[in-house]
Amino acid sequence: EDQVTQSPEALRLQEGESSSLNCSYTVSGLRGLFWYRQDPGKGPEFLFTLYSAGEEKEKERLKATLTKKESFLHITAPKPEDSATYLCAVQEKGRAGFKTIFGAGTRLFVKA
Amino acid sequence: GAVVSQHPSRVICKSGTSVKIECRSLDFQATTMFWYRQFPKKSLMLMATSNEGSKATYEQGVEKDKFLINHASLTLSTLTVTSAHPEDSSFYICSARDFIGAGSAPFFGPGTRLTVL
Repeated sequence: EDQVTQSPEALRLQEGESSSLNCSYTVSGLRGLFWYRQDPGKGPEFLFTLYSAGEEKEKERLKATLTKKESFLHITAPKPEDSATYLCAVQEKGRAGFKTIFGAGTRLFVKA
Repeated sequence: GAVVSQHPSRVICKSGTSVKIECRSLDFQATTMFWYRQFPKKSLMLMATSNEGSKATYEQGVEKDKFLINHASLTLSTLTVTSAHPEDSSFYICSARDFIGAGSAPFFGPGTRLTVL
Protein backbone atom coordinates (compact mmCIF):
# COMPACT_ATOMS: atom_id res chain seq x y z
CA GLU A 1 0.00 0.00 0.00
CA ASP A 2 1.20 3.49 -0.81
CA GLN A 3 2.51 5.53 2.08
CA VAL A 4 3.05 9.23 2.64
CA THR A 5 5.13 10.39 5.60
CA GLN A 6 5.68 14.01 6.50
CA SER A 7 8.24 15.50 8.84
CA PRO A 8 8.53 17.26 11.11
CA GLU A 9 5.09 17.07 12.72
CA ALA A 10 5.42 20.66 13.84
CA LEU A 11 7.90 23.40 13.03
CA ARG A 12 8.35 26.69 14.82
CA LEU A 13 10.24 29.43 13.00
CA GLN A 14 11.07 33.04 13.57
CA GLU A 15 9.96 35.42 10.87
CA GLY A 16 12.61 35.39 8.14
CA GLU A 17 14.06 32.04 9.20
CA SER A 18 14.05 29.81 6.11
CA SER A 19 13.47 26.06 6.41
CA SER A 20 12.18 22.97 4.61
CA LEU A 21 9.37 20.50 5.13
CA ASN A 22 9.80 16.91 4.03
CA CYS A 23 7.41 14.45 2.43
CA SER A 24 8.62 10.94 1.74
CA TYR A 25 6.48 8.55 -0.24
CA THR A 26 6.31 5.02 -1.49
CA VAL A 27 4.05 4.57 -4.46
CA SER A 28 4.03 2.22 -7.39
CA GLY A 29 4.07 4.54 -10.36
CA LEU A 30 3.81 8.17 -9.27
CA ARG A 31 1.00 9.97 -11.04
CA GLY A 32 1.30 13.20 -9.16
CA LEU A 33 2.45 14.54 -5.81
CA PHE A 34 0.49 17.45 -4.41
CA TRP A 35 1.11 20.08 -1.77
CA TYR A 36 -1.74 21.82 0.00
CA ARG A 37 -2.00 24.44 2.70
CA GLN A 38 -4.74 24.13 5.30
CA ASP A 39 -5.80 26.80 7.75
CA PRO A 40 -7.75 25.83 10.88
CA GLY A 41 -11.40 25.10 10.18
CA LYS A 42 -10.98 25.33 6.40
CA GLY A 43 -10.52 22.99 3.50
CA PRO A 44 -7.06 22.42 1.98
CA GLU A 45 -5.91 25.01 -0.53
CA PHE A 46 -4.01 23.69 -3.54
CA LEU A 47 -0.41 24.84 -3.89
CA PHE A 48 1.56 22.63 -6.30
CA THR A 49 1.57 19.49 -8.39
CA LEU A 50 4.83 17.70 -9.17
CA TYR A 51 4.99 14.82 -11.61
CA SER A 52 8.58 13.74 -12.11
CA ALA A 53 11.91 13.68 -10.29
CA GLY A 54 13.82 16.90 -10.75
CA GLU A 55 10.74 19.02 -11.17
CA GLU A 56 10.44 22.26 -9.20
CA LYS A 57 7.56 24.69 -8.73
CA GLU A 58 7.57 28.10 -7.03
CA LYS A 59 4.95 30.41 -5.63
CA GLU A 60 5.92 33.48 -3.64
CA ARG A 61 7.99 32.28 -0.66
CA LEU A 62 7.35 28.60 -1.36
CA LYS A 63 9.26 26.23 -3.59
CA ALA A 64 8.47 22.55 -4.00
CA THR A 65 10.95 20.01 -5.30
CA LEU A 66 10.68 16.32 -6.10
CA THR A 67 13.04 13.35 -6.11
CA LYS A 68 12.25 9.70 -6.70
CA LYS A 69 11.51 9.12 -3.02
CA GLU A 70 10.65 12.46 -1.47
CA SER A 71 9.50 15.99 -1.92
CA PHE A 72 10.55 19.12 -0.10
CA LEU A 73 8.63 22.30 0.48
CA HIS A 74 11.13 25.09 1.00
CA ILE A 75 9.95 28.22 2.75
CA THR A 76 12.14 31.25 2.24
CA ALA A 77 11.98 34.15 4.72
CA PRO A 78 8.60 33.09 6.11
CA LYS A 79 6.08 35.55 7.49
CA PRO A 80 3.51 34.98 10.25
CA GLU A 81 0.79 34.62 7.62
CA ASP A 82 2.56 31.49 6.35
CA SER A 83 1.53 29.76 9.58
CA ALA A 84 -0.69 26.83 8.61
CA THR A 85 -0.65 23.07 8.21
CA TYR A 86 1.06 21.92 5.01
CA LEU A 87 -0.20 18.67 3.58
CA CYS A 88 1.47 16.41 1.06
CA ALA A 89 -0.52 13.88 -0.97
CA VAL A 90 0.00 11.31 -3.71
CA GLN A 91 -2.34 9.66 -6.13
CA GLU A 92 -2.95 5.97 -5.66
CA LYS A 93 -4.81 3.55 -7.89
CA GLY A 94 -7.97 2.52 -6.09
CA ARG A 95 -10.97 0.36 -6.89
CA ALA A 96 -12.86 3.35 -8.26
CA GLY A 97 -10.03 4.97 -10.17
CA PHE A 98 -7.36 7.22 -8.75
CA LYS A 99 -7.65 8.50 -5.21
CA THR A 100 -5.58 10.99 -3.26
CA ILE A 101 -3.85 9.85 -0.09
CA PHE A 102 -2.58 12.41 2.40
CA GLY A 103 0.27 12.53 4.84
CA ALA A 104 -0.34 13.65 8.41
CA GLY A 105 0.85 17.18 7.67
CA THR A 106 3.38 19.58 9.13
CA ARG A 107 2.05 22.34 11.35
CA LEU A 108 4.09 25.46 10.75
CA PHE A 109 4.17 28.32 13.24
CA VAL A 110 5.95 31.51 12.24
CA LYS A 111 6.53 34.03 15.00
CA ALA A 112 6.94 37.72 14.30
CA GLY B 1 -8.05 27.50 -9.56
CA ALA B 2 -11.26 25.50 -9.59
CA VAL B 3 -13.91 26.33 -6.99
CA VAL B 4 -15.69 23.77 -4.86
CA SER B 5 -18.43 24.77 -2.45
CA GLN B 6 -19.99 22.94 0.47
CA HIS B 7 -23.23 23.52 2.27
CA PRO B 8 -23.84 23.90 5.12
CA SER B 9 -20.59 25.10 6.65
CA ARG B 10 -21.77 24.18 10.13
CA VAL B 11 -24.57 21.98 11.37
CA ILE B 12 -25.66 20.96 14.84
CA CYS B 13 -28.17 18.15 15.16
CA LYS B 14 -29.68 15.85 17.71
CA SER B 15 -28.62 12.25 18.03
CA GLY B 16 -30.67 9.98 15.78
CA THR B 17 -31.39 12.52 13.07
CA SER B 18 -29.96 12.52 9.55
CA VAL B 19 -27.88 15.29 8.05
CA LYS B 20 -27.22 16.00 4.37
CA ILE B 21 -24.11 17.81 3.18
CA GLU B 22 -23.85 19.12 -0.38
CA CYS B 23 -20.69 19.47 -2.42
CA ARG B 24 -20.70 21.42 -5.68
CA SER B 25 -18.07 22.12 -8.31
CA LEU B 26 -18.85 25.66 -9.42
CA ASP B 27 -16.75 26.22 -12.52
CA PHE B 28 -15.91 22.77 -13.81
CA GLN B 29 -17.47 19.38 -14.29
CA ALA B 30 -16.33 16.83 -11.76
CA THR B 31 -16.40 13.23 -12.89
CA THR B 32 -15.02 12.20 -9.54
CA MET B 33 -15.69 13.57 -6.09
CA PHE B 34 -14.17 12.44 -2.82
CA TRP B 35 -15.41 12.66 0.73
CA TYR B 36 -12.98 13.01 3.60
CA ARG B 37 -13.30 13.17 7.34
CA GLN B 38 -10.86 15.03 9.54
CA PHE B 39 -10.43 14.84 13.30
CA PRO B 40 -8.82 17.72 15.24
CA LYS B 41 -5.14 18.11 14.44
CA LYS B 42 -5.23 15.01 12.26
CA SER B 43 -4.92 14.55 8.53
CA LEU B 44 -7.69 13.84 6.07
CA MET B 45 -9.12 10.34 6.05
CA LEU B 46 -10.66 9.28 2.75
CA MET B 47 -14.15 7.91 3.28
CA ALA B 48 -15.34 7.24 -0.26
CA THR B 49 -14.84 7.95 -3.93
CA SER B 50 -17.88 8.98 -5.90
CA ASN B 51 -18.06 8.75 -9.68
CA GLU B 52 -20.92 10.50 -11.45
CA GLY B 53 -23.78 8.16 -12.24
CA SER B 54 -22.45 5.16 -10.34
CA LYS B 55 -22.38 3.90 -6.80
CA ALA B 56 -19.76 5.26 -4.45
CA THR B 57 -16.76 3.16 -3.51
CA TYR B 58 -16.16 3.18 0.22
CA GLU B 59 -12.85 2.79 2.01
CA GLN B 60 -12.35 -0.08 4.37
CA GLY B 61 -14.04 0.52 7.72
CA VAL B 62 -16.51 3.12 6.44
CA GLU B 63 -20.14 2.08 6.81
CA LYS B 64 -21.92 2.68 3.53
CA ASP B 65 -25.36 2.43 5.13
CA LYS B 66 -24.44 5.15 7.57
CA PHE B 67 -22.75 7.49 5.14
CA LEU B 68 -24.91 7.62 2.03
CA ILE B 69 -23.27 9.23 -0.97
CA ASN B 70 -25.03 10.32 -4.12
CA HIS B 71 -23.34 11.81 -7.19
CA ALA B 72 -26.28 12.51 -9.44
CA SER B 73 -24.70 15.13 -11.69
CA LEU B 74 -21.29 16.33 -12.81
CA THR B 75 -21.44 19.24 -10.40
CA LEU B 76 -23.14 17.86 -7.29
CA SER B 77 -22.45 15.15 -4.76
CA THR B 78 -24.19 14.72 -1.43
CA LEU B 79 -23.19 12.96 1.77
CA THR B 80 -25.97 11.98 4.15
CA VAL B 81 -25.04 10.96 7.68
CA THR B 82 -27.91 8.76 8.75
CA SER B 83 -29.00 8.31 12.36
CA ALA B 84 -26.15 10.51 13.52
CA HIS B 85 -24.49 9.89 16.87
CA PRO B 86 -22.02 12.03 18.85
CA GLU B 87 -19.10 9.95 17.54
CA ASP B 88 -20.01 11.13 14.02
CA SER B 89 -19.14 14.68 15.03
CA SER B 90 -16.27 15.73 12.81
CA PHE B 91 -15.12 17.98 10.00
CA TYR B 92 -16.27 16.63 6.64
CA ILE B 93 -14.56 17.85 3.48
CA CYS B 94 -15.30 17.07 -0.13
CA SER B 95 -13.01 17.39 -3.09
CA ALA B 96 -13.56 17.23 -6.82
CA ARG B 97 -11.50 16.47 -9.87
CA ASP B 98 -12.21 17.27 -13.48
CA PHE B 99 -12.03 15.15 -16.62
CA ILE B 100 -8.25 15.11 -16.72
CA GLY B 101 -8.27 12.26 -14.24
CA ALA B 102 -5.07 10.67 -13.07
CA GLY B 103 -2.42 13.23 -12.27
CA SER B 104 -4.76 16.15 -11.82
CA ALA B 105 -4.98 17.59 -8.34
CA PRO B 106 -8.36 17.57 -6.66
CA PHE B 107 -9.73 20.84 -5.35
CA PHE B 108 -11.32 21.00 -1.95
CA GLY B 109 -14.43 22.52 -0.51
CA PRO B 110 -14.32 24.64 2.66
CA GLY B 111 -15.57 21.79 4.83
CA THR B 112 -18.63 21.17 7.01
CA ARG B 113 -18.38 21.05 10.78
CA LEU B 114 -20.90 18.52 12.10
CA THR B 115 -21.76 18.46 15.79
CA VAL B 116 -24.12 15.77 17.04
CA LEU B 117 -25.58 16.39 20.48
